[in-house]
Parts: sequence; structure tokens; C-alpha cells
Amino acid sequence: KQEVTQIPAALSVPEGENLVLNCSFTDSAIYNLQWFRQDHGKGLTSLLLIQSSQREQTSGRLNASLDKSSGRSTLYIAASQPGDSATYLCAVGIGGATNKLIFGTGTLLAVQP
Amino acid sequence: GAVVSQHPSRVICKSGTSVKIECRSLDFQATTMFWYRQFPKQSLMLMATSNEGSKATYEQGVEKDKFLINHASLTLSTLTVTSAHPEDSSFYICSARGGGMGEQYFGPGTRLTVT
Repeated sequence: KQEVTQIPAALSVPEGENLVLNCSFTDSAIYNLQWFRQDHGKGLTSLLLIQSSQREQTSGRLNASLDKSSGRSTLYIAASQPGDSATYLCAVGIGGATNKLIFGTGTLLAVQP
Repeated sequence: GAVVSQHPSRVICKSGTSVKIECRSLDFQATTMFWYRQFPKQSLMLMATSNEGSKATYEQGVEKDKFLINHASLTLSTLTVTSAHPEDSSFYICSARGGGMGEQYFGPGTRLTVT
């Protein structure tokens, strides 16, 4: 059974710092991996989608990497801003008939001004 | 593009009543829709997967007679929580996907409170 874990559970950094969020999964047979942002009490915003054949994806100040063999992904946020404060979720697509997403436990990020 | 809406955004109901939540794909045809539940400070848990025109597939531990899912068209899926109880209070989020194994697009969620 696929399990997805995110470390740390919570992180507080001063504005301007670069930071890394970690996601690990137990079964390397994934179809894709996606990073989301969730503001408090709100829905999900997709940040980056990495297909299983890819190693990384970049969008603006965000860079996500994927190492399938070791079951790890990282989300790198450069020059953090207070507006980046949110919960960050990673989710793995497990393929099969429907490619269901299995979500991680989330990292609550607070960027202090 | 790829916008998914949910209605209502918030609902409060009394214990024992039923509540229907709608999920719509506004600018694409969603062959598959997913329903998730999120309890406070927890991650999203998949409840069921529905394909247009067929019965939903429920995840282990989710009561199909309590959480009725209908996916009658390529742009609309509904989740009905029957005989709601306070423990059903949660944040319900749907997602939709077009053909193939592509990206899921998420709705804004519905906050259900059962009193």
C-alpha cells in the first residue's frame, strides 16, 4: 500500500530565505507526482506536476525534483515571501485504471515578514 | 481553463438530514471525477472515484449507502451525504479529469457542518 510522508510537518522561516520541503513515498511504481498549495480553509492550487519519466519541473521561484528509485521528491522555494505561507501537499499518482492520487501529510509553512 | 466549481461552499444541516454537494467542470468534459474528504489538520483522503455513466468505486471503509455519488453527465457529479451525523462534518473536495491519465483539477471545497 502506497504511503506518502512529508517532512517537516511545520516550518517557519524569515522572509527571503530559500527552503526545501520533502516528500517521500513507499512504492516507487508511480505514474506522476504533484505538488499543491492549500490556503487555510480553501481548496487546492496545483503548483507543479512531474511525470514519472521526468526528473524535475520549474515554475517561477518553485522547483520540484523527483527521484523515483529512492521514493523522494523535493519542492524548492527560492526567496520566500509572506504570501507563500500555506500548507504544501504532495500527491503521487499510482497509475492503474484511474491514476488515483495518494496525498501526503502536508507541510505547514509560515514565512515571517 | 480547467476550472472546477463546487456548490455550496458552506452548508450547515441538522443531524439526520441529507445534503447534496455539486461538482462541475466548467470548461472541459470530465470523464472521471474524484471525491475527497479532509478533516481538520489532516490531509485529503480519497472517498470514491466516479466515471461518467457508471457506478462509483468507493475506497475501503467508505460507506456507499451513506455517501451517494452520481456522475450523470460529463460536467456534473454530485455527492449526497445521507442521514448526516456530526462526525460527517468535514471539508469535502472534488476533482475532475478529462480523458486519459492526465492532471486532476480541484474544486474549491465544501465545508459541511452537521449540528
